[in-house]
Amino acid sequence: DSGVTQTPKHLITATGQRVTLRCSPRSGDLSVYWYQQSLDQGLQFLIQYYNGEERAKGNILERFSAQQFPDLHSELNLSSLELGDSALYFCASTKAGGQYNEQFFGPGTRLTVL
Amino acid sequence: DQQVKQNSPSLSVQEGRISILNCDYTNSMFDYFLWYKKYPAEGPTFLISISSIKDKNEDGRFTVFLNKSAKHLSLHIVPSQPGDSAVYFCAASSSTSGTYKYIFGTGTRLKVLA
Repeated sequence: DSGVTQTPKHLITATGQRVTLRCSPRSGDLSVYWYQQSLDQGLQFLIQYYNGEERAKGNILERFSAQQFPDLHSELNLSSLELGDSALYFCASTKAGGQYNEQFFGPGTRLTVL
Repeated sequence: DQQVKQNSPSLSVQEGRISILNCDYTNSMFDYFLWYKKYPAEGPTFLISISSIKDKNEDGRFTVFLNKSAKHLSLHIVPSQPGDSAVYFCAASSSTSGTYKYIFGTGTRLKVLA
């Protein structure tokens, strides 16, 4: 158990809909990262937050947005969903936001768009 | 543009033998590399890392080798155990990018046969 929790575990929805994925980092960790893993793909970095502020952005679509709240949990919002958005979404957390900090991953949310 | 490549999607090894997983990268600015292991229905877990100032890092049965001139790293597992059966991802980051985001490869599925 990494100490990072993600809810829900599974999500099935229809095209055009909007969903929210939730991540609670390990106790004491200030930085949260979001990744997308599509079938047979590596983990694609989406976005990083550090202590409530956006720190880095990856290949995140404009239909996607995220935020980190004062209690440090984070939410990833996916809107106008398309079939291609079906994937595993992972969040990870680190104590600080720097390079040499090992990222601890949650179990992921599997999103299926029908 | 796949900056981190794991060209072998799968590998089978007999228990007790050496497993060698390979990873190539294209960005010469990468200076920190990590290996993560992933079991089904779980998030990736950190295994071992190496900084570009080293060419080898060892942790128990796991050793990572870095060949900067070839832009290649490898993970050696000796001896391999059935519990090592998992998907292994290599990841890289650059301290000069200012973002410390990890770029992941597509993974290699290791199967250790008893």
